[in-house]
Amino acid sequence: EADIYQTPRYLVIGTGKKITLECSQTMGHDKMYWYQQDPGMELHLIHYSYGVNSTEKGDLSSESTVSRIRTEHFPLTLESARPSHTSQYLCASSENERGSYQPQHFGDGTRLSIL
Amino acid sequence: SQQGEEDPQALSIQEGENATMNCSYKTSINNLQWYRQNSGRGLVHLILIRSNEREKHSGRLRVTLDTSKKSSSLLITASRAADTASYFCATDDYGSGAGSYQLTFGKGTKLSVIP
Repeated sequence: EADIYQTPRYLVIGTGKKITLECSQTMGHDKMYWYQQDPGMELHLIHYSYGVNSTEKGDLSSESTVSRIRTEHFPLTLESARPSHTSQYLCASSENERGSYQPQHFGDGTRLSIL
Repeated sequence: SQQGEEDPQALSIQEGENATMNCSYKTSINNLQWYRQNSGRGLVHLILIRSNEREKHSGRLRVTLDTSKKSSSLLITASRAADTASYFCATDDYGSGAGSYQLTFGKGTKLSVIP
């Protein structure tokens, strides 16, 4: 298994709270990604980063924001959580070589429930 | 962006049987990847096949790619109860420039292997 870690694994929290989901990898990968996945459904890319100080929005519109101050760390923040944010959030990273031939390594996800 | 579509959505077989899952996609690709997801976990990369390859093997896995039909298949031979999981195909975004490292995932096939 790859060395990519997400915390917390589960979070149940009330509406309006600020939430930060943590993602760290120890592989030195430049590329990192956040996906949102509802149970039994496909993954949707919400944010990605190709290196420090680089962040971009993915295909799925999201009210979350991300930062990439250090190579190994790619946190995702929701300023004011709503029930519609209830989902599983998966973080991934991939190696630095040019081209799209490198597989992505995933963390085990954070299952978020907003009451 | 394009999206892979897996078929069937769910598959239930007896241990020892072979399992075949199919994936169709819409536009040109550089490569196609297959991932496995156990319940409540992140995705694990299984195999990558490049657009100029037609078949690839890895242990009990066999992947084929037909770029003329824009389809791929994943065959798991001699299935085991531990193979029970969801299986996703993922395609890259060929020719999208800065987006070429992104993957688009299908909805997955849920495989159940009965002991």
